[in-house]
Amino acid sequence: AQSVAQPEDQVNVAEGNPLTVKCTYSVSGNPYLFWYVQYPNRGLQFLLKYITGDNLVKGSYGFEAEFNKSQTSFHLKKPSALVSDSALYFCAVRRYSGGGADGLTFGKGTHLIIQP
Amino acid sequence: ETGVTQTPRHLVMGMTNKKSLKCEQHLGHNAMYWYKQSAKKPLELMFVYNFKEQTENNSVPSRFSPECPNSSHLFLHLHTLQPEDSALYLCASSQDHGGTYGYTFGSGTRLTVV
Repeated sequence: AQSVAQPEDQVNVAEGNPLTVKCTYSVSGNPYLFWYVQYPNRGLQFLLKYITGDNLVKGSYGFEAEFNKSQTSFHLKKPSALVSDSALYFCAVRRYSGGGADGLTFGKGTHLIIQP
Repeated sequence: ETGVTQTPRHLVMGMTNKKSLKCEQHLGHNAMYWYKQSAKKPLELMFVYNFKEQTENNSVPSRFSPECPNSSHLFLHLHTLQPEDSALYLCASSQDHGGTYGYTFGSGTRLTVV
């Protein structure tokens, strides 16, 4: 079975500093990896995904993520944090259901707080 | 708007009521999903539909009954719910069954069972 771990419940970063939100995964076969962001009382917004190709994936709002196969990690990064980046971030991996549509398995989420 | 619309946005219902959640997508996607998001728990996949056929029921209690009349619409019928069913219910869709092109989520329905 697939699983995703986000080891930090909360990450605090000063505005303008680089940020990293950690994610590790466990999956059989090649992983399809995703990052989503959720603002209060809203649904999930897609940030970026890794399917194949370059290990460094660039996404929305200046975010990027680095796929590391040997460490089974897919950490989310941004060079300079904004207060508006404060939200709940989810890492997810494609499920393999053996037929039909697969859906996603999510980590528990990490609250990112950017301090002015 | 993401292209996936969920109604209502908020719903309060008693344990003996019957209500339905609606999801509609105008993206031409073939697969649709229901997720449950409870406080302090990871998102849980509830149901999966591919070309309007249910392909997965992730051990969901029978008080939740999904319906997918076509590839653009997905319903979640609710009856005799429990207070622990209070959560944010999210609908999602994908162009293909494997999510190669990603998954698009709606804004969710905040359900409170009293």
